[in-house]
Amino acid sequence: DTAVSQTPKYLVTQMGNDKSIKCEQNLGHDTMYWYKQDSKKFLKIMFSYNNKELIINETVPNRFSPKSPDKAHLNLHINSLELGDSAVYFCASSQEGQMQFFGPGTRLTVL
Amino acid sequence: GENVEQHPSTLSVQEGDSAVIKCTYSDSASNYFPWYKQELGKRPQLIIDIRSNVGEKKDQRIAVTLNKTAKHFSLHITETQPEDSAVYFCAASIGTGRRALTFGSGTRLQVQP
Repeated sequence: DTAVSQTPKYLVTQMGNDKSIKCEQNLGHDTMYWYKQDSKKFLKIMFSYNNKELIINETVPNRFSPKSPDKAHLNLHINSLELGDSAVYFCASSQEGQMQFFGPGTRLTVL
Repeated sequence: GENVEQHPSTLSVQEGDSAVIKCTYSDSASNYFPWYKQELGKRPQLIIDIRSNVGEKKDQRIAVTLNKTAKHFSLHITETQPEDSAVYFCAASIGTGRRALTFGSGTRLQVQP
């Protein structure tokens, strides 16, 4: 009964491809997030989202788009993958104003 | 937007010694300050957090202090153990609504047995 789960754990793909990473939380939280952790371990917010509001970090290319089929899921879709997209992507969730719980991460490698 | 600076980037201590990691933030509206521990290949895990209405919080060997006036907060680990070795991240947010965390750059703590 993992609280925040992500699939796949590893994703290796070619430049130019389109891919998705899935995230699910069973905590009943109202807000979900996507963070990117680069090779230097910097953790940076990409999106925060609930059913009312999407907040996008202005530095995120529009090739990245979050898709939320329901309150418990927030998927990350990436178009036209580039070498620089290689990183570990973490999903997280929280209940308004409270602590955030992270998923196990997805290591994306673009060749 | 918020900017969080974290020091030192690496810290090596002997087992049993104390370790202190310091962070400063820029946005005076920030009122929620969590600390995360990330072991190699694992997810960040919350170890302690503090809100701006208190100045100190302690949980066994871990404590966090907050100075709102100076806009800095610190993590203190006492009686360090080899299993404390990890990367530690501080973070700040306006802890209401749907605010994401702004993370510091991380501190790699190595506890030498």
